[in-house]
Amino acid sequence: NAGVTQTPKFQVLKTGQSMTLQCAQDMNHEYMSWYRQDPGMGLRLIHYSVGAGITDQGEVPNGYNVSRSTTEDFPLRLLSAAPSQTSVYFCASSYTTGSYEQYFGPGTRLTVT
Amino acid sequence: QKEVEQDPGPLSVPEGAIVSLNCTYSNSAFQYFMWYRQYSRKGPELLMYTYSSGNKEDGRFTAQVDKSSKYISLFIRDSQPSDSATYLCAMSLISNFGNEKLTFGTGTRLTIIP
Repeated sequence: NAGVTQTPKFQVLKTGQSMTLQCAQDMNHEYMSWYRQDPGMGLRLIHYSVGAGITDQGEVPNGYNVSRSTTEDFPLRLLSAAPSQTSVYFCASSYTTGSYEQYFGPGTRLTVT
Repeated sequence: QKEVEQDPGPLSVPEGAIVSLNCTYSNSAFQYFMWYRQYSRKGPELLMYTYSSGNKEDGRFTAQVDKSSKYISLFIRDSQPSDSATYLCAMSLISNFGNEKLTFGTGTRLTIIP
């Protein structure tokens, strides 16, 4: 199993550009989520999904969109990038919502200039 | 006030020392308590979890939960340079809707000096 994979590993965007961060898992997990990690702020939940076709907002959803058309994939879209979105983004999956064992991807380092 | 508070460190200790990492929390409904380890430029991975109060031991690692004080700890015995990482505590609860989302601490950066 590849586990949770994320692409790209690094990305530099200009303010106002849009892009999609990709996330895929091959463990047949129902629950998937996106976090951002910033110094002093820890991991903050952006959006999550409890199954294909079902998504909901987390703690910091503004400026981001998600969709879940398959169990395996959960892309995160930045609609109009802003410098405040410079961060490391992690995708995670687990068997159920709030499961103690979340499996994290390797992260995407995003810089917005 | 954040629901989960964790001293960010950094914490540097010599190899072989006992390390104590701690988190406090405000939501008394939390029932599951986890410790994740994150190596530099990697995603977090689950190290240990406990349900409700008490101690749990796994090799050199011991997780301790004191629900009366809303305080959790992770102890590392005989610390090794390979233990150098950021340690994040996390918590969750079960509501009428099932398991709720995890709430993470900010992480403590630990360096073990050879």
